[in-house]
Order: sequence, then structure tokens, then C-alpha cells
Amino acid sequence: QITLKESGPTLVKPTQTVTLTCIISGFSLSTSGVGVGWIRQPPGKALEWLGVIYWDDDKRYSPSLKSRLSISKDTSKNKVVLTVTNMDPVDTATYFCAHLYNYGSLDSWGQGTLVTVSS
Amino acid sequence: DIQMTQSPSSLSASVGDRITITCRASQTINRYLNWYQQTPGKAPKLLIYGTSSLQSGVPSRFSGSVSGTDFTLTISSLQPEDFATYYCHQTYSTPYTFGQGTKLEIK
Repeated sequence: QITLKESGPTLVKPTQTVTLTCIISGFSLSTSGVGVGWIRQPPGKALEWLGVIYWDDDKRYSPSLKSRLSISKDTSKNKVVLTVTNMDPVDTATYFCAHLYNYGSLDSWGQGTLVTVSS
Repeated sequence: DIQMTQSPSSLSASVGDRITITCRASQTINRYLNWYQQTPGKAPKLLIYGTSSLQSGVPSRFSGSVSGTDFTLTISSLQPEDFATYYCHQTYSTPYTFGQGTKLEIK
């Protein structure tokens, strides 16, 4: 059974950097073809794709956020980390990590973690 | 970036109705189109991947199809648990963009 669980600070101040962790189980980040994506959803709004990291450490980012995002993985600790710099109130959202499946679809999601940006 | 235009943004229907939701891609995405269902406070749930493949455990009243760059999600007979928000998602090329969502409400 594949599971993912996000964790991180719930409240950050503007201009700060936030680091979110996704702990995975039921699959390995070293297995060929595996990928983990990050998606966010501001309150009451649509899903927004942020980026993905693959088993071979290939990373892809949303162009609109690329300068502020970094995704990394620690295979031995079964975790994927998302870092977002220079946080702004518009970055207030629930952040999800998810497992990539066939056709790049996201078949297993974490519960999400709400990050609020406020001074 | 590939834009996904999803319509309608909201839809009111009754239990037992047949409904369709459409996503139009701004360019070809082959069959790299997926559909999700989301209820308030929950993570999205994968319904359909690769345009028309039903995810394991998803009822057969859900189906997906394509005509050109217009992708359709159909629910053949609405059940009470189907009232939710639905999103399409292209995974042909990064950034893997989502549609703006369709909120399906009870009439």
C-alpha cells in the first residue's frame, strides 16, 4: 500500500523560506520510473502543479515559480522535500505530495498540509 | 505551457442524471489526460488516467473519452456521493497543468 504524508510549519512570515517534507511508504524512490509530485491548492481555489522529482533525480518545476522552488529527495530516509523561498500571503495554500502513476497521473496523495503566510 | 480549459465551472444536477464535463487542451496532449474528484477537506482522488482508463476501485459509471483536443468525463447515473469538484490534468508536458475545476452540486 502506497502512502504519503506531508509535514511542515503551519504558519510562516512573508519573505521567509518554508521547507515541507513528504514521507513515503510502499514504494522506493530508487526504483526506475518512480516520481513524486508537489501540488498546492489555495483555500477555495483550484489545484496548481508545482513540480516533480523522478527516481533518477530529474526535476521539473512550474516555470512561474521555478526561481523559488527546490525539490530534493533522500532515498535512504524515504522522503521528498519541497523548499519554497520568499513566501508571500498569496502562497497560502494546502500543499500536497503525490505518487506518479501511469501516464503521469497521481494515484496516491498525502493528506495535505496547510501553510499560512502572515505577519 | 499547455492551457486546460474546463467547462462548465459549475453544474447543478439530480441523482440519476447523466452529466458530462469537458476539458479542452490548448495543444495536442495525445492521451495524457487524467481526471480527479475532490470533496471538501480531502485530497483529490484519481478517477481516470490516460483519457479513458478507469482507476482501480472507481465505479464503472465514470468514463472518459476524447475527440481531438476535447476530453470528456461522463458520469452515467449520478449517485449522492458523486457531488464534488472535478479536475482534469494534462501530463503530456511539464508543467503538468490542471483545469480550473467543475463543482457538481445537487439540484
